[in-house]
Amino acid sequence: EAGVAQSPRYKIIEKRQSVAFWCNPISGHATLYWYQQILGQGPKLLIQFQNNGVVDDSQLPKDRFSAERLKGVDSTLKIQPAKLEDSAVYLCASSSFLSTPEAFFGQGTRLTVV
Amino acid sequence: QKEVEQDPGPLSVPEGAIVSLNCTYSNSAFQYFMWYRQYSRKGPELLMYTYSSGNKEDGRFTAQVDKSSKYISLFIRDSQPSDSATYLCAMSQGSASKIIFGSGTRLSIRP
Repeated sequence: EAGVAQSPRYKIIEKRQSVAFWCNPISGHATLYWYQQILGQGPKLLIQFQNNGVVDDSQLPKDRFSAERLKGVDSTLKIQPAKLEDSAVYLCASSSFLSTPEAFFGQGTRLTVV
Repeated sequence: QKEVEQDPGPLSVPEGAIVSLNCTYSNSAFQYFMWYRQYSRKGPELLMYTYSSGNKEDGRFTAQVDKSSKYISLFIRDSQPSDSATYLCAMSQGSASKIIFGSGTRLSIRP
């Protein structure tokens, strides 16, 4: 079974620029999460999708962050404009919840804003 | 107050020691209690989970949940250098609910 795929692995941008991250979840997983993990901290949920609908985006900074899940499969997360404090690892995870609450994570995209 | 609190460490112990990792939480609606392990520059991976209260054992790992105290623990017996990683506790209210993570405890096992 292929895991969660994310790209790019690394990205360096200047503040006020825009950036987009892509995620391909495990096939058949209806739930998709985007988390932000700042160095030395635990993952913080940004947005949760169930199929292509948003379940929770209460911690998504909507003035600069946006996310979509196309046809209930792939997802993109965009930041525009980026701030220095957006430097973090952006993790995508997916889950089927058929038998366990386990979320499977990708390796993440490490964003550095300079 | 954060929903999930975890001592960030770092924690350093000699090989073979018993390790105890803990989290407290404030939301009594949490039903699933999970422990994830995260190696450097990797995504978190689920170690084990418990539904509601009680203990669960998997090899050298034991997870305990005390809902009356809102306190969960992970014990690692006969710790190995390969156990060196960041351990994240995580909780959710239901099978399709959002997963809330603690801040993680960085663990180092000295050979």
